[in-house]
Parts: sequence; structure tokens; C-alpha cells
Amino acid sequence: GESVGLHLPTLSVQEGDNSIINCAYSNSASDYFIWYKQESGKGPQFIIDIRSNMDKRQGQRVTVLLNKTVKHLSLQIAATQPGDSAVYFCAENGADNYGQNFVFGPGTRLSVLP
Amino acid sequence: EPEVTQTPSHQVTQMGQEVILRCVPISNHLYFYWYRQILGQKVEFLVSFYNNEISEKSEIFDDQFSVERPDGSNFTLKIRSTKLEDSAMYFCASSQSGSNEQYFGPGTRLTVT
Repeated sequence: GESVGLHLPTLSVQEGDNSIINCAYSNSASDYFIWYKQESGKGPQFIIDIRSNMDKRQGQRVTVLLNKTVKHLSLQIAATQPGDSAVYFCAENGADNYGQNFVFGPGTRLSVLP
Repeated sequence: EPEVTQTPSHQVTQMGQEVILRCVPISNHLYFYWYRQILGQKVEFLVSFYNNEISEKSEIFDDQFSVERPDGSNFTLKIRSTKLEDSAMYFCASSQSGSNEQYFGPGTRLTVT
């Protein structure tokens, strides 16, 4: 069945370093992917998205890479700051439905060390 | 910046009771969603709603659940005969199109005792 999973459940990085959070997906028909950030007690917050016709997309301090060959998604955060500490989820939609049923990964907790 | 709002922030109910969770999506959005997140687990899709009808629903969204858009601004999730395992955070989200960025509300924490 469809599944989205994360390789690293926790990640600790030094402030100022770059962070890389990984995600594996199994539905090769998925054509749209989103990274969300969830701070304690809050709802998921959109960070960046990418469609399957792209390999890379950059935002402010964040970059998402999509490798469709191995069904892998990554989120890179440059110059990680204390405010980046949160749980990060990847989510995919399956193109075999109407594309609204997003499947979320279990999340990776990012801790930024001073 | 427009945002999705949800009320109440915390709802405590007894097993077997009915609850209604309320959401006000972003005003120019056309698609609405409910998700739930059991404590310590991943976010799970429940249902999507467009043009006054359900467009998709998950296996979780059985006859115990229903959604409604009673007016031009509110979007509600009704849970009938609540069970202990319904305890979770329930998130509402909205988007302009069906496969686009979804904006999430802050969630309602439902506790069933």
C-alpha cells in the first residue's frame, strides 16, 4: 500500500550548520510533495512543495530535492537556527486519487543545539 | 496574513457523547479538509470537501463522522458516539485548489473520557 516514511526519527544539529531531513515514499504515482513544519502545540505549517516534474526547488533557506528514481525526498535547511527546532513531516498526494488525500510521514524531530 | 481558525482549542467529552468541531477556512479557499493526529503519531487524512460535498475520505472516516458547511464561512466535523480512541488533535485545513498548498488551523484537542 501507499506509505511515506522517514529514515531519521530525530536529528540534532549545531546552530549555523546545515540540516538535511530525508523522506522515502512508496507511491510512484504521487505527483506532488510537501514539507511541513510542526511546532509543539501547533498545526502543520507549509514550508515548501515540489511537483514530480521537478528535481529541485529552493525557498528561503530551504531546498527540497526529489529523486523519483529511488522515490526519495529531502529537505535541506541552510544555517539552521534555534527557531527551526520542530518536527518536520513530508507528505505526498497520490495521483491515483483526486490528489487531496495527503499521506504524511511519521515526522523527524529537528533539535538545534546552541 | 489570512489563517484558518478552529474552535474550541480543547474539548473534553464523555464517551458516547457527540461533539462538533468547528473551523473557519481562509475565505477565498474552495477545498476543505479534516485531519487527525493521535498523540505521538503521524497526521492522518480524514476527509476533503469541495462544492458542498465530500470529495475524498479515508477508511477512518466512517459513519461515526460527518462534515458540513452550514454557511459561507464555517466548516464542521461532527463525531457521533465518541470513543476513547477518538482522543486526538483534529486539524482543519483549506486550500485554493484540490492539489495545492493546504493551510492548517491550530487544531482542536479532543479528549474523550
